[in-house]
Amino acid sequence: DQQVKQNSPSLSVQEGRISILNCDYTNSMFDYFLWYKKYPAEGPTFLISISSIKDKNEDGRFTVFLNKSAKHLSLHIVPSQPGDSAVYFCAASAWNTDKLIFGTGTRLQVFP
Amino acid sequence: KAGVTQTPRYLIKTRGQQVTLSCSPISGHRSVSWYQQTPGQGLQFLFEYFSETQRNKGNFPGRFSGRQFSNSRSEMNVSTLELGDSALYLCASSPVPGSETQYFGPGTRLLVL
Repeated sequence: DQQVKQNSPSLSVQEGRISILNCDYTNSMFDYFLWYKKYPAEGPTFLISISSIKDKNEDGRFTVFLNKSAKHLSLHIVPSQPGDSAVYFCAASAWNTDKLIFGTGTRLQVFP
Repeated sequence: KAGVTQTPRYLIKTRGQQVTLSCSPISGHRSVSWYQQTPGQGLQFLFEYFSETQRNKGNFPGRFSGRQFSNSRSEMNVSTLELGDSALYLCASSPVPGSETQYFGPGTRLLVL
């Protein structure tokens, strides 16, 4: 049972445009969400997070939106750059456990 | 500060063998988590160690085990390897459990033939 789902395995966006990566979850106990970026042959690196008491968190070009009623979060990258090309994982954890549950990832390709 | 290191980086084994992977966390970090990454399943949590004790365990069979030493270094062991165990095994460290972010190592790519 996949509690965190990234239904788009890949996304292709032109440089300068907006990239929107989506993530859905099923467990209503999740209260903290993170996005990680992963380049080939490297481990994931933390990008941005949001707790369930907020519906938006912004850090430079990256904004994460959380819609608790829809159990949906999204990562917006504006403007997209070729260096953003990577696999993006969303992850979630519940208040009563430190375990991080990851989605299957979305491969983003930003082309010139 | 050096990052999380994992050894070996690549490993080829045959079915039925066992394997031990090693992870050295960032200096000062005492919590170590292990993940398995496969193309179809994404990143799946294996277990977490803190102060030499397993705090959390994912949904994996008992063939997967781990331990943590007093210097916070951790090892994971997979016995009786199966073809489906071929994956990238990632280790992540954080100062304490429940820290906002984890820092991942580069992973050990295991191929089971």
